[in-house]
Amino acid sequence: SYELTQPPSVSVSPGQTASITCSGDKLEYKYTSWYQQKPGQSPVLVIYQDKKRPSGIPERFSGSNSGNPATLTISGTQATDEADYYCQAWDSSTAVFGGGTRLTVL
Amino acid sequence: QLQLHESGPGLVKPSETLSLICAVSGGSISSNTYYWGWVRQPPGKRLEWIGTTHYSGSTYYSPSLKSRVTISVDTSKNQFSLKLSSVTAADTSVYYCARHSGVGANHYFDYWGQGILVTVSS
Repeated sequence: SYELTQPPSVSVSPGQTASITCSGDKLEYKYTSWYQQKPGQSPVLVIYQDKKRPSGIPERFSGSNSGNPATLTISGTQATDEADYYCQAWDSSTAVFGGGTRLTVL
Repeated sequence: QLQLHESGPGLVKPSETLSLICAVSGGSISSNTYYWGWVRQPPGKRLEWIGTTHYSGSTYYSPSLKSRVTISVDTSKNQFSLKLSSVTAADTSVYYCARHSGVGANHYFDYWGQGILVTVSS
């Protein structure tokens, strides 16, 4: 079965840029989505179709998938961005989530 | 604004069937454009996709759960449901329903319910 791999944790200082990676077999030929999940809350879609932002998502969130791995970038990271982030792709008519990355804003 | 709301028992006995409903408001479940899915998350663990359905009857299931899962749509009530049979403690999770947008290879979940914790225990 298809798998997506993310680093368990990433740390960033406030105001700096955070990058979270997601790797998978031939992922560059699929579309990647990203979700933010804060403790006790439902996931929120922050990036879809590799790099598109849903309405209401700040511009500091961006995505790329021009190579492998796919990357979620948060520019000018704020304390409120501290959360778990999950990548997701569609493969063989199944949705697959990565293991999640805990972003800590120090 | 589209809203999804899960409901059902919070406690299920081992070997029994878990049954949940997701009520959709602010939009029609009979839209050709969208699918409707279930995702679960064991405490402290990753998100796991369970399956997805379309009002037309098309369904897609996780290979690891396929033998135990049924997802169906009730257009008259604008809701869809999840049934998971022969549950064990490993099925204890927060269960989320979500709208599943999908065209070609581009599939993602853009609206989520608040989630419901289901514990499997005798």
